[in-house]
Amino acid sequence: DIQMTQSPASLSASLGETVTIECRASEDIYSNLAWYQEKPGNSPQLLIYDVNNLADGVPSRFSGSGSGTQYSLKINSLQSEDVASYFCQQYNNYPPTFGGGTKLELK
Amino acid sequence: EVQLQESGPGLVEPSQSLSLTCSVTGYSITSNYWGWIRKFPGNKMEWMGYISYSNNTNYNPSLKSRISITRDTSKSQFFLQLNSVTTEDTATYYCAGLRIPTDWFAYWGQGTLVTVSS
Repeated sequence: DIQMTQSPASLSASLGETVTIECRASEDIYSNLAWYQEKPGNSPQLLIYDVNNLADGVPSRFSGSGSGTQYSLKINSLQSEDVASYFCQQYNNYPPTFGGGTKLELK
Repeated sequence: EVQLQESGPGLVEPSQSLSLTCSVTGYSITSNYWGWIRKFPGNKMEWMGYISYSNNTNYNPSLKSRISITRDTSKSQFFLQLNSVTTEDTATYYCAGLRIPTDWFAYWGQGTLVTVSS
């Protein structure tokens, strides 16, 4: 199975700040990567697919980038509603695998 | 709006079977793929398997001997059965859906915590 190593595990940032979350795959996943957001008590929501395509309704302050084995999720101008956990998922190889998650809090 | 809702016992005894139901509204389960994902304490997530629009199943090899996913299209529900559970199966279980031909999970339930303990 492809291992997805996500960092940091937790992150504290101020409103308006830019934050970046990283995912590293154990082998090339050819941009077959998605990002999800999970708020407490809510269902996980798809944020980004195919590295940098925003899902419907996702604000443009979210963006994704990367290639090969290294990928990142960036949140510009952090808003209070962005407080959540974020995790990545590769779907290049079967079975699909997930990063360990990043818990984002407000400073 | 597509909504998924998990239901089932929150406590299962070791060696018994874990059974969960996912009820889907707003979408036909005879379209796309519908499956189960779990998140262990400590946040590691594992894809468990799915059932397809044509009633084919595909399971994570790590679970293949213990897992079964079935469906009842008349009730728009699909089901997870995991046999011979141990304390290591304690996790939050999510049902989720993939929209063909994509490979990411467009639809998720809220998750249900299942604890394996005597």
